[in-house]
Amino acid sequence: GQNIDQPTEMTATEGAIVQINCTYQTSGFNGLFWYQQHAGEAPTFLSYNVLDGLEEKGRFSSFLSRSKGYSYLLLKELQMKDSASYLCAVRSAGNMLTFGGGTRLMVKP
Amino acid sequence: DSGVTQTPKHLITATGQRVTLRCSPRSGDLSVYWYQQSLDQGLQFLIQYYNGEERAKGNILERFSAQQFPDLHSELNLSSLELGDSALYFCASSGNLDGSYGYTFGSGTRLTVV
Repeated sequence: GQNIDQPTEMTATEGAIVQINCTYQTSGFNGLFWYQQHAGEAPTFLSYNVLDGLEEKGRFSSFLSRSKGYSYLLLKELQMKDSASYLCAVRSAGNMLTFGGGTRLMVKP
Repeated sequence: DSGVTQTPKHLITATGQRVTLRCSPRSGDLSVYWYQQSLDQGLQFLIQYYNGEERAKGNILERFSAQQFPDLHSELNLSSLELGDSALYFCASSGNLDGSYGYTFGSGTRLTVV
């Protein structure tokens, strides 16, 4: 089965850097995604990792270690609009995408 | 506008009833996924279709069914509705089978069962 763990809530200050961790246990790993979701809205795609290492995209970076079953999302130069839930999702064999419970990030001035 | 269209946006219905949720994927996308998001359970994968065929199945109840039509739009049918079925139902599409380019979500249908 699938098991994805991420912190429930985090708080950070505007302009700072925050790292959101995700650990997973899955059969047949086939890629890890990060999504951003504002309350009541659709999730929006942030990043995709299938190989070990860091993927950088502007203020957002995502890291993957397949041997450790670990990923993190790094957000730099935090802005108030970054307050949202961040969802870690793992795709397993058979193309099933399983989401973690999400991390609610609150950015304070 | 993400390009994935879901209708209706809101739906209120009584227990025991049946409803149909509709999804039109982004132009050119062949894969359609359905997810349920309730307050206490996060995003739960229900089912995936690719070019008209069922490709993956998650925790979808027997009371729920889906299909993808030749024009690639998809419908999710929910029957014998219960209070616990109240949730946001999202449809997502991707341009390839494995979704490696990312899944694009629609704005969702908020279902309230009373």
